[in-house]
Amino acid sequence: QKEVEQDPGPLSVPEGAIVSLNCTYSNSAFQYFMWYRQYSRKGPELLMYTYSSGNKEDGRFTAQVDKSSKYISLFIRDSQPSDSATYLCAMSRTGGYNKLIFGAGTRLAVHP
Amino acid sequence: GAVVSQHPSWVICKSGTSVKIECRSLDFQATTMFWYRQFPKQSLMLMATSNEGSKATYEQGVEKDKFLINHASLTLSTLTVTSAHPEDSSFYICSAREPRTGRTGELFFGEGSRLTVL
Repeated sequence: QKEVEQDPGPLSVPEGAIVSLNCTYSNSAFQYFMWYRQYSRKGPELLMYTYSSGNKEDGRFTAQVDKSSKYISLFIRDSQPSDSATYLCAMSRTGGYNKLIFGAGTRLAVHP
Repeated sequence: GAVVSQHPSWVICKSGTSVKIECRSLDFQATTMFWYRQFPKQSLMLMATSNEGSKATYEQGVEKDKFLINHASLTLSTLTVTSAHPEDSSFYICSAREPRTGRTGELFFGEGSRLTVL
């Protein structure tokens, strides 16, 4: 079993839709949770960063962490064609060790 | 956000040659950088942790003699793929933590380097 599970998609939605992206994980030691956006043939770009459980909102993006269920989500409101990319969840343990464990990434396509 | 630069962005080489990829933190000092490998439509797999002034720490299954990592300064880490073979063709990405944010686990990534070995 992988430490982090993420549905690779692809996920295709119309412009303006609300997108929900999710990851589950098995290791309860994870404390830091991140979402990255990766355009084709580019390096990942940090979108959201959260510590422990709770919600965090930044513009059209909302990240949720439910540690009791070992489940994290990223919501994108009013999706745009420019949001078309692969979205990677990532997480790391406590103690200042920065090794990130990534999900497989979900490919999202937002069509006009 | 902090900027991490990689060079070259793509390289084609003949089998048996060595290729060096540079990773630079442009506006901050990075005592630790990370090297990842990504196959098409797959996630990033950590290859090694590069520590300034000391030997790199390699993940299980990564050949340290094949993938030489040098972190000679606080802003530069290099990955050298030695005696490259077609199976080494991949997308290599480096990352570094911006220490001033104080947020453990937050990394900034380079643009990646696509290696094709003929």
